[in-house]
Amino acid sequence: QKEVEQDPGPLSVPEGAIVSLNCTYSNSAFQYFMWYRQYSRKGPELLMYTYSSGNKEDGRFTAQVDKSSKYISLFIRDSQPSDSATYLCAMSAWSGGSNYKLTFGKGTLLTVNP
Amino acid sequence: DADVTQTPRNRITKTGKRIMLECSQTKGHDRMYWYRQDPGLGLRLIYYSFDVKDINKGEISDGYSVSRQAQAKFSLSLESAIPNQTALYFCATSDGDSGGTEAFFGQGTRLTVV
Repeated sequence: QKEVEQDPGPLSVPEGAIVSLNCTYSNSAFQYFMWYRQYSRKGPELLMYTYSSGNKEDGRFTAQVDKSSKYISLFIRDSQPSDSATYLCAMSAWSGGSNYKLTFGKGTLLTVNP
Repeated sequence: DADVTQTPRNRITKTGKRIMLECSQTKGHDRMYWYRQDPGLGLRLIYYSFDVKDINKGEISDGYSVSRQAQAKFSLSLESAIPNQTALYFCATSDGDSGGTEAFFGQGTRLTVV
């Protein structure tokens, strides 16, 4: 079983839709949970991160973590064509000293149609 | 100017050739990483370095080598390129104070081995 599982999609939605992106994980040592956004022909950029179970909001984006189920989600409200990108979940676990190992999901390609 | 700069941006090379991909950063971070990204496989870690004297293999290091010439410079070499090393390569940096949450990526190098 992969440490981090993410449905690669692709996912296509109309403008204004609510988008739900999900990842599951198997490693209980993961402490930080992140979502990265990658536009075409660009490097990934951090969108949101959290370290506790529950919800964290940032504008139209909500990150949700359920550690008991080992499940994280990213919700996008009122989706816009500019949200079209690949979304990668990522998780980090302490790997000794002050270092953390970062593990990425495969990414979900999202297209928001005008 | 970009905080993490990769050169070249695109490269086509022949099987058996030695090639070096270079990465420089102005973030002042100690930690640097090399990933490759393939469709359907996501981001996979090749090598990482937590400081100038520290080099570690990632999950797919076979066929690759790295050199950390300075805090700001981390290069990736393919000693004898083969076609299945055709991929998008990313360099990334992070600091040690954020639980490994935020990695800053370069723009990527698209490598084609023919």
